[in-house]
Amino acid sequence: AQRVTQPEKLLSVFKGAPVELKCNYSYSGSPELFWYVQYSRQRLQLLLRHISRESIKGFTADLNKGETSFHLKKPFAQEEDSAMYYCALKRPGAGSYQLTFGKGTKLSVIP
Amino acid sequence: NAGVTQTPKFQVLKTGQSMTLQCAQDMNHNSMYWYRQDPGMGLRLIYYSASEGTTDKGEVPNGYNVSRLNKREFSLRLESAAPSQTSVYFCASSEARLGGYTFGSGTRLTVV
Repeated sequence: AQRVTQPEKLLSVFKGAPVELKCNYSYSGSPELFWYVQYSRQRLQLLLRHISRESIKGFTADLNKGETSFHLKKPFAQEEDSAMYYCALKRPGAGSYQLTFGKGTKLSVIP
Repeated sequence: NAGVTQTPKFQVLKTGQSMTLQCAQDMNHNSMYWYRQDPGMGLRLIYYSASEGTTDKGEVPNGYNVSRLNKREFSLRLESAAPSQTSVYFCASSEARLGGYTFGSGTRLTVV
């Protein structure tokens, strides 16, 4: 069964410190993974997807198939990074696909 | 360009009442989804519609029904609301080829 695990419910870091939000997955096929961000009481927004290997707002994530991980990283945290972060795994289906989300990690950046 | 629009934004229901949450997208996406978001539980899929005319159950479908009215609209109905359905409900749409969801702003539902 597909599963996404985000082991930290809450992560607090000081402004300017490095950030790493952990995500591990279990999936028998070739995974496609995403990170979504939700700022306070706003809609979820796509932050990045592993296939595009892009960097958004200074965040990057590398898929490590050996460790089945897709950790989100940023070298220097900013106060505006405080938000809920969700890792998600794409599951293909007939004519569609579903995303399985982790339970989320709340990032708090301390000024 | 509105993207995904949900109505209402807030609703309070009494146990046993019924209501329909509306969702519409203007991106010509084929697939639409309803999720609920609960503290410590993340997002869980209630129902989805791969394309106009089809609907399928997700992870937590009990107590809900859906209608894919046309390509743009996908509604979620609670026939007899229960306190356990107190949650934030998100609608989303996607184009399978591109990947990634576009989410609505959510409906905050409280059942008392």
